[in-house]
Amino acid sequence: SQKIEQNSEALNIQEGKTATLTCNYTNYSPAYLQWYRQDPGRGPVFLLLIRENEKEKRKERLKVTFDTTLKQSLFHITASQPADSATYLCALYNDYKLSFGAGTTVTVRA
Amino acid sequence: DVKVTQSSRYLVKRTGEKVFLECVQDMDHENMFWYRQDPGLGLRLIYFSYDVKMKEKGDIPEGYSVSREKKERFSLILESASTNQTSMYLCASLNLEMRGEQFFGPGTRLTVL
Repeated sequence: SQKIEQNSEALNIQEGKTATLTCNYTNYSPAYLQWYRQDPGRGPVFLLLIRENEKEKRKERLKVTFDTTLKQSLFHITASQPADSATYLCALYNDYKLSFGAGTTVTVRA
Repeated sequence: DVKVTQSSRYLVKRTGEKVFLECVQDMDHENMFWYRQDPGLGLRLIYFSYDVKMKEKGDIPEGYSVSREKKERFSLILESASTNQTSMYLCASLNLEMRGEQFFGPGTRLTVL
């Protein structure tokens, strides 16, 4: 069966450190992979997209890697700040729809 | 600024009631989606629509139906609400030109008593 797993439900880190989140998938062949941020009580907001033929993508302090051999994406938040505290969702795009992981909640301590 | 709006932020209904959740997008997107989100389970797709009057079942369509009479509006219907349908409901529209970036509404927190 198809499955998307994000490494852990919660990640606590010190301000200034790098947060690394993992997204693993099985039985998918996604055209691309996306990461979203969700704050409590709100809908997810798109952050980054990476295509299957791209190894790495950056946007400001965010970096995403995509390894289709390992079937894994890594999402990095560098120089983390308390404002980065949120739940981060990975999503695979295939057949005109997205399938989501359960998310990892990141808490950045000042 | 692109926008997806949902008719209610919070809703409380009784078991057996018919419930309508409405979603409107102003981006002229063809694809629209309804998800429910529960702790530990993530976002699960209920129904989606490619175009007006078109609908497709998602992963968990049982107990739900949808209506898409106009391009900008996608409604989710709970024919007879049950307590296990208590959840956060999220609507989204999809920008095919942006390779699948989805724009989400703020969500409706539905409680069925």
